[in-house]
This record gives sequence, structure tokens and C-alpha cells, in this order.
Amino acid sequence: EDQVTQSPEALRLQEGESSSLNCSYTVSGLRGLFWYRQDPGKGPEFLFTLYSAGEEKEKERLKATLTKKESFLHITAPKPEDSATYLCAVFDFGNEKLTFGTGTRLTIIP
Amino acid sequence: DAGVIQSPRHEVTEMGQEVTLRCKPISGHNSLFWYRQTMMRGLELLIYFNNNVPIDDSGMPEDRFSAKMPNASFSTLKIQPSEPRDSAVYFCASRTDYEQYFGPGTRLTVT
Repeated sequence: EDQVTQSPEALRLQEGESSSLNCSYTVSGLRGLFWYRQDPGKGPEFLFTLYSAGEEKEKERLKATLTKKESFLHITAPKPEDSATYLCAVFDFGNEKLTFGTGTRLTIIP
Repeated sequence: DAGVIQSPRHEVTEMGQEVTLRCKPISGHNSLFWYRQTMMRGLELLIYFNNNVPIDDSGMPEDRFSAKMPNASFSTLKIQPSEPRDSAVYFCASRTDYEQYFGPGTRLTVT
């Protein structure tokens, strides 16, 4: 069975303080790894899909990377508006479902 | 595109009543998913459809829950009878290839 573990559960950063969120996974055959952002009271917002080890994608202050066992979401010089819960999910061959982690709650302090 | 549309956005009902949640997926997306999110259990997949056909309903908690997708642009999730433990936010999502988009959710409160 696919497993996704995100760490840390919560992270508080000062504005401008760069850091990384981790998503480690166990799947039989990775088809894709998804990153989402979720604000309180809203649905998860799609950010990236990564397909193979070594792949990187960027969006504004966010950069996602992928290895064979984990993915990192790097946040550079974050702003308070980056505060949200970040979810990752895996999608494997032979299974149409996404398996989600429990998320990292990120708070950026002005 | 308007994205995934869900209605109602909020529903408050009494225990024992029937509840119907509605979803309109993004046009052209061939897969539709219903999720439930709570603080305790996070995001749980209830059921998903591929080309309007239910593929996996193993996440549906019990027989009180049912879902239909009569056509490519509409799906319902029904709870009958509802119970307080069903209180949660219910999300619908649709997907094509490798990008899956969520709706804004329906916050259900059963008293």
C-alpha cells in the first residue's frame, strides 16, 4: 500500500527565512507526485506535478524537487501570504487514486 | 474555466435527515473524485468515477453513503440518514491526465 509522510507537521518562519518541507513516499511504481496548497476554508489548490527523479519545478517563491524516495518543497524568502497547509500526494501505476500526506502547516511571521 | 463547482457551500441539518451534495467537474475531465476532510483523519478518498463509471468505492464509510454520476458534467453524494459523525468538509475533484483540481468544498454540520 502506498504511504506518504510529510514533515514537519508545522513550521513557523520569519518573513524572508528560507526553508524546506519534506514529503517521503513508498509506492510500487511512481507515476507522479503532486503538491497542493490549502488555505483555511478552501479546497486544495494545485501547485505542481513531478514525474521523475531529478525533476524540478518552480512557481514564484516555491521550488519542488523529486528523488526516488522523497520530494522537497523549498520556499525562498517567504512572505506572510505563503502561510498555508502544503499537501503532497502520490499517484502510482495501476492505481488511479492519489494518496495524500497529512500536510505541513506553514506560518510566516511578518 | 470556472473550475470545479460544488453546492451547497454550507449545509446544516439534523441527525436522520437526508443530505445531497452536488458537483460539476471541469469540462473535459474524465475522472471525478469525492473526498472528506476532518481534522482527525485528514483528506480521505470516498469514491471515484472514470468516464462516469464508479471505479472504487472502498472509501465510502457505510451504506448510508451513496454517489452517482449520471453524466459527464454532474455528480451527487448522498448521505441518508445523516449522523453527527458525518460532519466534515466534503470536496469534489476532477482530473485529466496528471493534474487534479479540487472544488471549494461543502461544509456539512449534522446536529
